[in-house]
Amino acid sequence: RKEVEQDPGPFNVPEGATVAFNCTYSNSASQSFFWYRQDCRKEPKLLMSVYSSGNEDGRFTAQLNRASQYISLLIRDSKLSDSATYLCVVNGGSGATNKLIFGTGTLLAVQP
Amino acid sequence: ETGVTQTPRHLVMGMTNKKSLKCEQHLGHNAMYWYKQSAKKPLELMFVYSLEERVENNSVPSRFSPECPNSSHLFLHLHTLQPEDSALYLCASSQAPRGGYPNEQFFGPGTRLTVL
Repeated sequence: RKEVEQDPGPFNVPEGATVAFNCTYSNSASQSFFWYRQDCRKEPKLLMSVYSSGNEDGRFTAQLNRASQYISLLIRDSKLSDSATYLCVVNGGSGATNKLIFGTGTLLAVQP
Repeated sequence: ETGVTQTPRHLVMGMTNKKSLKCEQHLGHNAMYWYKQSAKKPLELMFVYSLEERVENNSVPSRFSPECPNSSHLFLHLHTLQPEDSALYLCASSQAPRGGYPNEQFFGPGTRLTVL
């Protein structure tokens, strides 16, 4: 089983749509969770951290379910500029705090 | 210069060559990382330096040799690479974790490496 699993997509959605990405992780000791965004031929950049109670940043909402080891990202009112690969990231557990484990990413293409 | 810079941006080398990748961070961070990104595969952590000490070596072949002379600079020395080592090599930096929680990592633009 992969340490972090994501649906690779692509997700092709029209502008204004709501889209949700899911992610599962295998290490129950993981304590920190993130969504990174990577544009084509660019480096990954932090989109948002994911907190236990769920958190929202503008059009983006992240949720965490520790019991199911499941993370989600919801994007409302999609913009063309949201087109990118979204990477689910978890840390390697209490003994590997420095170690971030990345999923393969989910490709989002927002169509005009 | 701001953020995390990497040189060169592109590198083509033969299997018998020796080359080095350079990373510099201008963010005042004290942890630096090397990652490998291959097509259709997730980012793979290679090495972690925290407070200039190597704290993670993720089963990387010895033909990759990291060096961290100070908290702002990180090198990846390459020798006798294989074609399957062709990939995007990304450097990142962060503040070292506190209280068991990692901090945001900032990535450089990467070096696109091709091994012939």
